[in-house]
Amino acid sequence: GESVGLHLPTLSVQEGDNSIINCAYSNSASDYFIWYKQESGKGPQFIIDIRSNMDKRQGQRVTVLLNKTVKHLSLQIAATQPGDSAVYFCAEPRGGADGLTFGKGTHLIIQP
Amino acid sequence: GAGVSQTPSNKVTEKGKYVELRCDPISGHTALYWYRQSLGQGPEFLIYFQGTGAADDSGLPNDRFFAVRPEGSVSTLKIQRTERGDSAVYLCASSPVGWGETQYFGPGTRLLVL
Repeated sequence: GESVGLHLPTLSVQEGDNSIINCAYSNSASDYFIWYKQESGKGPQFIIDIRSNMDKRQGQRVTVLLNKTVKHLSLQIAATQPGDSAVYFCAEPRGGADGLTFGKGTHLIIQP
Repeated sequence: GAGVSQTPSNKVTEKGKYVELRCDPISGHTALYWYRQSLGQGPEFLIYFQGTGAADDSGLPNDRFFAVRPEGSVSTLKIQRTERGDSAVYLCASSPVGWGETQYFGPGTRLLVL
């Protein structure tokens, strides 16, 4: 079935290092993917998205990479800061329908 | 500009009671979505509105759940005969038109059924 999942439930990085959060998806027909950040007690916050006709997209301190061959998505955060501590979700459109399918999330922990 | 707002932020109720959760989308957004998020999980789709109509309610778990958006703006999610398993965070999101556009989420309503 269709699913969006994450390889690691928790990722711990040193402040200032780069973070890489991974995501595997199974619906090869998805035409775009989104990364959301969710801080404790808050709703998901849009970070960046990427269309399926691209393999890389950069934002402010973030880069998303898409490998359609192996159906893999990653979010890279440069120079990780304490404010980056959150749960990160990748999401894709529900197959043939509106709304999004989310993975379980990766909890990013920043160590001083 | 105001984002998506949801009220109440927290709701505690007893098993068997009726609850209403409200969502105010971003002004001008025609698409509105409800999701449910259980602890440690990602949000799960419940229902999608395009304007006043429920375009897709396939995510509603059973007929105790119902949602309306009578004027194409504010939406209310209604849960009848609540069960302990309904305890979760209920998230609302809106987008300008719908498909392929960024969904902006509200802070959620934390529902606890005792």
